[in-house]
Amino acid sequence: DAKTTQPPSMDCAEGRAANLPCNHSTISGNEYVYWYRQIHSQGPQYIIHGLKNNETNEMASLIITEDRKSSTLILPHATLRDTAVYYCIVRPPGGYQKVTFGTGTKLQVIP
Amino acid sequence: GAVVSQHPSRVICKSGTSVKIECRSLDFQATTMFWYRQFPKQSLMLMATSNEGSKATYEQGVEKDKFLINHASLTLSTLTVTSAHPEDSSFYICSATPGGSADTQYFGPGTRLTVL
Repeated sequence: DAKTTQPPSMDCAEGRAANLPCNHSTISGNEYVYWYRQIHSQGPQYIIHGLKNNETNEMASLIITEDRKSSTLILPHATLRDTAVYYCIVRPPGGYQKVTFGTGTKLQVIP
Repeated sequence: GAVVSQHPSRVICKSGTSVKIECRSLDFQATTMFWYRQFPKQSLMLMATSNEGSKATYEQGVEKDKFLINHASLTLSTLTVTSAHPEDSSFYICSATPGGSADTQYFGPGTRLTVL
């Protein structure tokens, strides 16, 4: 799996957009970018994934640069419940493929 | 959406006993499931890949005789921690993939194991 680099922590004011960056400069052509988050003492929650195009769902938007070497997860209106550790992961397709977690970004949403 | 459950959510046991943790895919079939372990303030560490109908594949440094994995059906994988010791106390999490173009993995809620 390609390695990812994320800032260890970020703060965001409640109601503002949270932009979480991720570098994956060694990503391969068939590897997807996934984002998960883990709220304290819970299992990771799937947020969004993409290959080349930008993606949006009810939780977040994913912006992938044209060269695919970096991406940004955007939470449009952060709430206190969005406080969590956010993990950016790159992985080839296939249900048998392992997911390797880095250290992630601890996002603190501030009232 | 795809739902993965784990049972129990937390367990406390005495040193030397064995503990079984179940991981179920509730609304899909999964030929492959994964088991992770997470120590406090650390990231998830993959322990093993569980394959339905065949032996599990363990990551380097994980004792296969201590962490027994059985994937007897397409919706159930079990992890048994044998002869548990206090250092085995951890948060154990499983994941499964329902299939599709990207094969997104979905994670269970985790099992908190405390060995006294």
